[in-house]
Amino acid sequence: GNSVTQMEGPVTLSEEAFLTINCTYTATGYPSLFWYVQYPGEGLQLLLKATKADDKGSNKGFEATYRKETTSFHLEKGSVQVSDSAVYFCALLTTSGTYKYIFGTGTRLKVLA
Amino acid sequence: GAGVSQSPSNKVTEKGKDVELRCDPISGHTALYWYRQSLGQGLEFLIYFQGNSAPDKSGLPSDRFSAERTGGSVSTLTIQRTQQEDSAVYLCASSLVTGSGSYNEQFFGPGTRLTVL
Repeated sequence: GNSVTQMEGPVTLSEEAFLTINCTYTATGYPSLFWYVQYPGEGLQLLLKATKADDKGSNKGFEATYRKETTSFHLEKGSVQVSDSAVYFCALLTTSGTYKYIFGTGTRLKVLA
Repeated sequence: GAGVSQSPSNKVTEKGKDVELRCDPISGHTALYWYRQSLGQGLEFLIYFQGNSAPDKSGLPSDRFSAERTGGSVSTLTIQRTQQEDSAVYLCASSLVTGSGSYNEQFFGPGTRLTVL
């Protein structure tokens, strides 16, 4: 079946550190891949997406590349800020059969000044 | 309104009672999704609507859960005979269209926190 696995949190980093949050997926067909972010006290919002293999999604300094060979979509940022503290969710959209979003369990990031 | 709204924001109920959760999607969005967010469980897909029809109900946990959408707009998620394990945050999201096209970004509402005593 379809599933998303992301690294356990919480992840605690100092400001300006490099961030990687791992995400791997299992899916039939060719899913679209997403990262959503939930800031404290706010609803989920789309951070970035990629719809086909080798696509790179980017936004607000975050990047993720759709790697079909490793079924991965790792989130990276070169220099995190305190304002990046949030919960990050990796997700896929199934494209065979019905269109359904499958989310990972979320990774909490805390950035210290 | 400008975004997806949900009501109530908080609901406390007794085990065995029925509850109704409401979602108002962004005007013009044809696709509407319901999720459940439990502590440590991430987001669990429940059901989605394309217009007023629900192509995929496979995520509904049991026959106590049902949902409907009328007029291609407002949706109601109903939980009958609530159980303590139903306690969670129920999230609604809408998107302009469904499918793998360019307009499938979901916009989430603030959620309804349900507590079953």
